[in-house]
This record gives sequence, C-alpha cells and structure tokens, in this order.
Amino acid sequence: QKEVEQNSGPLSVPEGAIASLNCTYSDRGSQSFFWYRQYSGKSPELIMSIYSNGDKEDGRFTAQLNKASQYVSLLIRDSQPSDSATYLCAVKAGANNLFFGTGTRLTVIP
Amino acid sequence: EAQVTQNPRYLITVTGKKLTVTCSQNMNHEYMSWYRQDPGLGLRQIYYSMNVEVTDKGDVPEGYKVSRKEKRNFPLILESPSPNQTSLYFCASSFRDRHTDTQYFGPGTRLTVL
Repeated sequence: QKEVEQNSGPLSVPEGAIASLNCTYSDRGSQSFFWYRQYSGKSPELIMSIYSNGDKEDGRFTAQLNKASQYVSLLIRDSQPSDSATYLCAVKAGANNLFFGTGTRLTVIP
Repeated sequence: EAQVTQNPRYLITVTGKKLTVTCSQNMNHEYMSWYRQDPGLGLRQIYYSMNVEVTDKGDVPEGYKVSRKEKRNFPLILESPSPNQTSLYFCASSFRDRHTDTQYFGPGTRLTVL
C-alpha cells in the first residue's frame, strides 16, 4: 500500500468551476499535510499546508483535512486556465519523512 | 533572490561513468533532500540531510551517495550509473519545525543513462 494515494486524473473542469482534488494517506500518525502545484516541465511549489482537522482557506484555494478518515482534499474555486497543472499531495510522517502522491493532473478548459 | 540551484540541468551519460549533480541553496536552510520523479511513481526521496555532516537514507537510496560538508551544498553522486537511474532529479531545501516543512525545489536535472 502506498503511503499517499491520489487519483492521477486527468481531471477536467470548465473555467469558473470548482475543482476538487483528493488524497488519502496510510500513516495514522501523520501530522502535516501539503499541496504542491507543478506546472509541466517545472519544479513543484507549495500552495497550501494544513495541520488541523477542518478547512483552511487561502484565496481561491481551500484545503480540507479529516484525520479520522485519513483524507485530505484541495478545492480550487473559480478555476482559471492558469490553474492547469499537476497537483501533488504530500504527507509528513514522522520527523524526517515526507511522502508525495503521484499527483493529479488538472486541466481547466476556457 | 532566495533559490535552490542545480547543475547540470540536463545530462546524458553512459552506464558506469561516475557523475555528480550539484545542489546549492542560499536560504540558510538546515534541511536538504534529493528526490527523483518518475511517471506513475511520483516524487520519491533518495537521501536527506538534517545539517552539515548529517545525512540519512530516504525511500530509494540504492545506487546514490550524498555528502554535506557545507550548509549550502548537497551534491548527489552516482558512482556507477545504470539505465534505471534515468529520471528527473530535484534537490530541495526547507525550513522545518514541528509542523512546517515547506520544500523549496531546485529547477530539476534530467538525467539519461544509456
């Protein structure tokens, strides 16, 4: 079983719609959760981090964490073509181990 | 400008020819890592370093070596590269506390081993 699992997609949404990206993880002791965005041919960049159950909002992005279900999600409201990228879920398990999912490719259609 | 640099950006080599990929950061971060990214497998950690002279294995360390003699530099060494090490490699540095672990990635090195 992989540490972090994501649906690889591709996920296509029309411009202006809400994009919903999901991630599950296996280590119940995980404390920190991250969403990275990676444009084609570029390196990943952090867009959201979340540590407590519930929602965390930052502009058009909302991260949701449910530790009981071992589930973390990212919502992108008012999706724009510039949001088209691969989104990587990362989970910190233990002091030194950061595990990444394989990523979900999002395409926002104008 | 705060950044992580890697060199070379692209490298084609042959099996068995030793190579080094350099990584340098100017953010005074203690923690640095190397990852490889392969289709369908995502980002996998090769080695990490918590400070100067402190390194440890990640998920896929076989065939790789690292060193951390200075805080800013963390080179990745392939003593005898093989074709299964063909991949996209990323170096990253981070500031860490109990929760925060924001990885700042370098631009990547695309390695092909023939």
